[in-house]
Amino acid sequence: EEQLVESGGGLLQPGGSLRLSCAASGFSISNHWMHWVRQVPGKGLMWVARINTDLSTTNYADSVKGRFTISRDNARNTLYLQMDSLGAEDTAVYYCARERHLLQHDYMDVWGKGTTVIVSS
Amino acid sequence: EIVLTQSPATLSLSPGERATLSCRASQSVSRYLAWYQQKPGQAPRLLIYDASTRATGIPARFSGSGSGTDFTLTISSLEHDDFAVYYCLQRYIWPPGTFGPGTKVDLK
Repeated sequence: EEQLVESGGGLLQPGGSLRLSCAASGFSISNHWMHWVRQVPGKGLMWVARINTDLSTTNYADSVKGRFTISRDNARNTLYLQMDSLGAEDTAVYYCARERHLLQHDYMDVWGKGTTVIVSS
Repeated sequence: EIVLTQSPATLSLSPGERATLSCRASQSVSRYLAWYQQKPGQAPRLLIYDASTRATGIPARFSGSGSGTDFTLTISSLEHDDFAVYYCLQRYIWPPGTFGPGTKVDLK
């Protein structure tokens, strides 16, 4: 079964840092672009970042640019999100997702269950 | 940035009824639009991609249509398992990736 499992979430104070991990099983992430998406409890989905297969291309939402860094270790089959200078507005459930080419374009088709980040003093 | 608008925000229906959800884009996204279903405490699940193609394992009661700026997700006959929030996502211009705000389908 193709699966993604996030970890690393927690409670931390404003200004702090955290690294999230996303371990894949049942497939190799080396063949896929990978994404992070977040969701404030009770609110909608917000795309955060993506990375291509060979780490040469990364993109970020404006709200996290310069503070978050997406990376991957294809040998470990794991995706990461380094989050620095965290603020209350970053409180959310963070999901990792696999992108896969389907017919005409690429879509996020496998998602993890998410890990919760709470930023509060 | 392409903005997606979904309507209605909430749709209150009974099992067996037809659900029609709308997603409108601020500019053309061709047919590069997906629909996701999310239940409380769960990750989103891909239902429809390329505007009208059902993802693997998705029942035939789910159908998508549209192109350009106007898209529709139809659930032909609601089952209890279908009460959830539905999001659209455009893949025409990335970054940034943009989701719609969601439509909640709840039990009347």
